[in-house]
Amino acid sequence: DAGITQSPRYKITETGRQVTLMCHQTWSHSYMFWYRQDLGHGLRLIYYSAAADITDKGEVPDGYVVSRSKTENFPLTLESATRSQTSVYFCASSEFGVGYGYTFGSGTRLTVV
Amino acid sequence: GQQLNQSPQSMFIQEGEDVSMNCTSSSIFNTWLWYKQDPGEGPVLLIALYKAGELTSNGRLTAQFGITRKDSFLNISASIPSDVGIYFCAGQPPGANSKLTFGKGITLSVRP
Repeated sequence: DAGITQSPRYKITETGRQVTLMCHQTWSHSYMFWYRQDLGHGLRLIYYSAAADITDKGEVPDGYVVSRSKTENFPLTLESATRSQTSVYFCASSEFGVGYGYTFGSGTRLTVV
Repeated sequence: GQQLNQSPQSMFIQEGEDVSMNCTSSSIFNTWLWYKQDPGEGPVLLIALYKAGELTSNGRLTAQFGITRKDSFLNISASIPSDVGIYFCAGQPPGANSKLTFGKGITLSVRP
């Protein structure tokens, strides 16, 4: 399917476990982003990537790791999950740059127990 | 950092009514965008504005980039039940590498 897909849609994990959220886009957009969405905070940028092998921190990067070995994939790893990382995570991509419209995936709802 | 203010948090309107939403900031922005999020889905881009004063329509939606570059509004005309959702504004602060800043969103409810 064309577009941007996230997997899994739902995940429950235990505190301290490592978990990876996947993001795949079929457009070959250069820019990709990870956001978390929490009540009262809106969308907050975790990490972004301008191209394969180029990543940079966003507003709330602590506890997260990203990689981008291929243009189409941008996985987000929680190295040791904490309850405060319970959230809805959105991946997004942009064809033209960081200041243009982003296309979002459908999100992953992560619960850390 | 630069913040975008959207208020109120929730709006309730009757089907068929028009509704206007504002997004304001104390700082200037180079780009303004409006997104809509349906329950259980990611935000979807409705309108993008790239120039101060720009007025753009997309069906029943109209948005404007404020002349001062510190605000934007979104109008929805003749609302229908599927307009229900969360409406976010987003803006790019000055700086070529500045990422989008998002407002906290307004939840719109439409009474049939």
